[in-house]
Amino acid sequence: DIQMTQSPSSLSASVGDRVTITCRANQSISMYLSWYLQKPGKAPKLLIYTASFLQSGVPSRFSGSGSGTDFTLTISSLQPEDFGTYYCQETDITPLTFGPGTRVDIK
Amino acid sequence: QVQLVQSGAEVRKPGASVKVSCKASGYSFTDYYMHWVRQAPGQGLEWMGWINPTSGDTTYAHNLQDRVAVTRDASISTAYMELRSLRSDDTAVYYCVRSVAPSRGRLDYWGQGTLVSVSS
Repeated sequence: DIQMTQSPSSLSASVGDRVTITCRANQSISMYLSWYLQKPGKAPKLLIYTASFLQSGVPSRFSGSGSGTDFTLTISSLQPEDFGTYYCQETDITPLTFGPGTRVDIK
Repeated sequence: QVQLVQSGAEVRKPGASVKVSCKASGYSFTDYYMHWVRQAPGQGLEWMGWINPTSGDTTYAHNLQDRVAVTRDASISTAYMELRSLRSDDTAVYYCVRSVAPSRGRLDYWGQGTLVSVSS
C-alpha cells in the first residue's frame, strides 16, 4: 500500500497570508493526488484533483502542484472560511490512502 | 443537483452487524463508482472500498475485506455498506462518495455521513 505523509500537521495563519501544505507519497503516484478541506462535523469537500485541477466552484486562491511523490497545496490569500483540516489522498492505486491531515487555524 | 443521502445513525453492540444505505440522485447511478470512507472520532479519513454499480464488482481495503460488503440496488439508485463482527474501534462516521472511475478519478460528491456507534 502507498503511504502518505503531510506537513505541517497544523498551522496558524492570518487572513491574507499565503499558506502552503505539502504531501508526500512513498512511491510515485504520477499526478493522481487530490486535496480536500473538511470542516468540523461536515463531509470533506474536494478542492483539487489530479494534482492541479481546480474542482468546479472552488475559489481560485486554491492551487495544487506536483507530480511523482511530492505535492503542494497553496492558498494564495487565506480567508476566514478556509479554516479546517486539509487532507491529501492518492487516487492512483487502491487502497486510495489519505494523508493524516493538516489542521489550519485562523489567527 | 447531485445528492448522496445516507441513512441515519446506528448503535450496535460488539459482534453485531450494521448496514448503511446511500441513495443517489441528480445523476445516472450506473455511470459512477461508489466508494466508502470512514472517520473515527477525532481521527483521519480511511478508505474502505468501492463498487462498480453496473457490474457489482467490488474492491476492499485489506484490513476490512473479511468483514465488509458493499452492494447496490441500481433500480433505486442506492448503494449499501455492511460491516460485520463490529468492534469498538469501528465506531466512526461512514461516508459514501462517488467517482467516475475506481482509481485515477476524482471523488467529488460525498454523502452527509452516518455515525455508527459500537458499544456494549
